[in-house]
Amino acid sequence: DQQVKQNSPSLSVQEGRISILNCDYTNSMFDYFLWYKKYPAEGPTFLISISSIKDKNEDGRFTVFLNKSAKHLSLHIVPSQPGDSAVYFCAARYGNNRLAFGKGNQVVVIP
Amino acid sequence: NAGVMQNPRHLVRRRGQEARLRCSPMKGHSHVYWYRQLPEEGLKFMVYLQKENIIDESGMPKERFSAEFPKEGPSILRIQQVVRGDSAAYFCASSPPSLGGGNIQYFGAGTRLSVL
Repeated sequence: DQQVKQNSPSLSVQEGRISILNCDYTNSMFDYFLWYKKYPAEGPTFLISISSIKDKNEDGRFTVFLNKSAKHLSLHIVPSQPGDSAVYFCAARYGNNRLAFGKGNQVVVIP
Repeated sequence: NAGVMQNPRHLVRRRGQEARLRCSPMKGHSHVYWYRQLPEEGLKFMVYLQKENIIDESGMPKERFSAEFPKEGPSILRIQQVVRGDSAAYFCASSPPSLGGGNIQYFGAGTRLSVL
């Protein structure tokens, strides 16, 4: 049962432009949403999070938007940089601090 | 300030052998989580532990898998009588003692288990 879905498995974007990653979820009990970035052969690195009671959180080049009625969140990266090339995972927290992850989106930033 | 340390990074086992994966949490963290990632999939929650306690093992397979986080030493994920389907990347994460809002889990680099 895929509670967190990330469609469009890969995204290519020009350096300096905006990268937009989308995530849909089904479980209304999720109370926190997180984005992680992962390089090959490394563990996921935390990027940014948002509480279910908010609709926007911003940290530098990263902004996460939450649309609770649509059960949808998105991550905006602007401007995109070559070092942003990685796999991005959307995750949602529920129960005993468990995280449910999407399958990830591969982002390639073209210099 | 060392992050979450996992070892070994790579582990090769033959079918029927035992696999032991170790995880040392970040300094000051008392909560440990184990996740498994199959190829082309996201991470799947397995178990959540605090020192000497299993808090939530709802994601653990019922047989052959066990986990512990002793008072001293690293957390151990143990897989007995491994089968080919156990081949995956196993990630450990840790978080601080408080589970207040925005509690973040920090991940190790993972152990890649290959079962021949």
